[in-house]
Amino acid sequence: QTVVTQEPSFSVSPGGTVTLTCGLTSGSVSTSYYPSWYQQTPGQAPRTLVYSTNTRSSGVPGRFSGSILGNKAALTITGAQADDESDYYCVLYMGSGIWVFGGGTKLTVL
Amino acid sequence: QLQLQESGPGLVKPSETLSLTCTVSGGSISSDSYYWGWIRQPPGQGLEWIGTIYYSGSTYYNPSLKSRLTISVDTSKNQFSLKLSSVTAADTAVYYCARDPGGYGDYHWGQGTLVTVSS
Repeated sequence: QTVVTQEPSFSVSPGGTVTLTCGLTSGSVSTSYYPSWYQQTPGQAPRTLVYSTNTRSSGVPGRFSGSILGNKAALTITGAQADDESDYYCVLYMGSGIWVFGGGTKLTVL
Repeated sequence: QLQLQESGPGLVKPSETLSLTCTVSGGSISSDSYYWGWIRQPPGQGLEWIGTIYYSGSTYYNPSLKSRLTISVDTSKNQFSLKLSSVTAADTAVYYCARDPGGYGDYHWGQGTLVTVSS
């Protein structure tokens, strides 16, 4: 069974740039997986940041960007702010209408 | 403005059926090309995709839940529902409903509702 992988944790300095990744235990992520990214703070519902690899959801600032880097999907935050400290989840489309979430990355801004 | 609101019992006994409804306001559940889905999150854990229903009625389920899961739409009430049978403590989670225009993962999320499975 293929598992979607994310870094368990990451840290970034305020104003810095960080790239979170989303991979597969078997195979490479491509645009055909329509990778999407979500941000979640404790006690809140997730918020959609990026879908279909690199399309920002409505109202999402431009410092969030999605891409494919090598064999993984990536979410890059440029100019990190304190309120970017959150959990970030990716999801991949596996075909036949089925989606699988990654385990999430806890981002610390310090 | 689109709003989704989950509702249902907050406590379900083991072996019983978990039933939740998502009420959609600010938009029609019958609109073309929209997918309506359920996602859950056990306490302290990550997100799990449960399943989706297309506006036409086609359903797509997480293979690990498929044998226990039914998602349906009631267009007259502008609602869609989830039924998960034979629940165990492992089904304890915050359940989110969401709309995905086009099926590309651009979810508009409900606020979520906690369902606890316990006797």
